[in-house]
Amino acid sequence: EDKVVQSPLSLVVHEGDTVTLNCSYEVTNFRSLLWYKQEKKAPTFLFMLTSSGIEKKSGRLSSILDKKELSSILNITATQTGDSAIYLCAVNNGGGSEKLVFGKGTKLTVNP
Amino acid sequence: EADIYQTPRYLVIGTGKKITLECSQTMGHDKMYWYQQDPGMELHLIHYSYGVNSTEKGDLSSESTVSRIRTEHFPLTLESARPSHTSQYLCASLSSGNTIYFGEGSWLTVV
Repeated sequence: EDKVVQSPLSLVVHEGDTVTLNCSYEVTNFRSLLWYKQEKKAPTFLFMLTSSGIEKKSGRLSSILDKKELSSILNITATQTGDSAIYLCAVNNGGGSEKLVFGKGTKLTVNP
Repeated sequence: EADIYQTPRYLVIGTGKKITLECSQTMGHDKMYWYQQDPGMELHLIHYSYGVNSTEKGDLSSESTVSRIRTEHFPLTLESARPSHTSQYLCASLSSGNTIYFGEGSWLTVV
């Protein structure tokens, strides 16, 4: 059964801290790994990773995929209160349907 | 990025009522999806579609049904709502860059 596991499930930090969120996966037909940010509504897309070892970066957020270890990390530097959200990792298991398998998410709380 | 529209955004209905959640996208994407997410829980795929007249059930069993008569439209219907159907329903579509984008979601409460 395809599985995506995120850790930690919950994290509380202070503004300015740097955080690293983890995602590991077991899927039969890996195509890509995606990170989403979910606040009170629908998930918003952050990154899509397909190649191992290539870092994707957007402002203070960055992510990298390690296909050998079947994992990915999402880094957020100089955190702000606006970064408080649930960060979801999902794997596209291809197979023509391009379905996403989601992890439970990491709830990040950034305190002032 | 896809423009995906869902209506209604919030709905409270009585048990036994029929409800259709609307989803439309303006980008001509072939592949569309419905996910269900209970509060604080992960997203689960309940339906997907490859294109017009193509629908498949997802990984999580659902009593809802879907149809895809037009590319841009992928409605989800519950024939007889029950309190166990209370959840958030998220519609999504696959872009040409193989990224799945979500609509704003429909929060359904069945009382």
